[in-house]
Amino acid sequence: NAGVTQTPKFRVLKTGQSMTLLCAQDMNHEYMYWYRQDPGMGLRLIHYSVGEGTTAKGEVPDGYNVSRLKKQNFLLGLESAAPSQTSVYFCASSYSLAGGPDEQYFGPGTRLTVT
Amino acid sequence: DQQVKQNSPSLSVQEGRISILNCDYTNSMFDYFLWYKKYPAEGPTFLISISSIKDKNEDGRFTVFLNKSAKHLSLHIVPSQPGDSAVYFCAASENTGNQFYFGTGTSLTVIP
Repeated sequence: NAGVTQTPKFRVLKTGQSMTLLCAQDMNHEYMYWYRQDPGMGLRLIHYSVGEGTTAKGEVPDGYNVSRLKKQNFLLGLESAAPSQTSVYFCASSYSLAGGPDEQYFGPGTRLTVT
Repeated sequence: DQQVKQNSPSLSVQEGRISILNCDYTNSMFDYFLWYKKYPAEGPTFLISISSIKDKNEDGRFTVFLNKSAKHLSLHIVPSQPGDSAVYFCAASENTGNQFYFGTGTSLTVIP
């Protein structure tokens, strides 16, 4: 049981390049999330998904796109990377929130640098 | 604007003593709160939670207190151990919501 995994662990991009971050979970969780962590800012929600085929915007969605084609995978895309997107990205998942919010399980993070 | 605030970026405590980490929030609709612990180069891990129908929740050495009127919660760790040295984040959500709002974190150092 691997929990939540993220690929890649590190990446350096040049301004204007594109990339996709992959998140996978093996806990059959309905909900998945993408956060970014910046110094002095805590964790901020980028996008989230409440089930396969659904996505929704979080606090800071601009410049990112997401897809949830399979229940176990949640992809975060940067179409044209900018230095402001230099950050550590965390994926998380949780059980169905039919009864309310639930604890989230986080991946180990992806450190992205945009030069 | 930051809806969840942790005003102490860092805290140092002697081993065996009590650690108290504080968190304030501004949104009165928040009614579910969690604490996460994060070690360097790892993702946050869930520590303890509390819903607004309670004012205290305890799990071993960890106790979370909620003061709804003051919009304030705190995490008590007793006794503190060197392995507790980490960054602690509080997070809040509305009971019917899908989003959690995180504070900026407090870095706890427990001195042996």
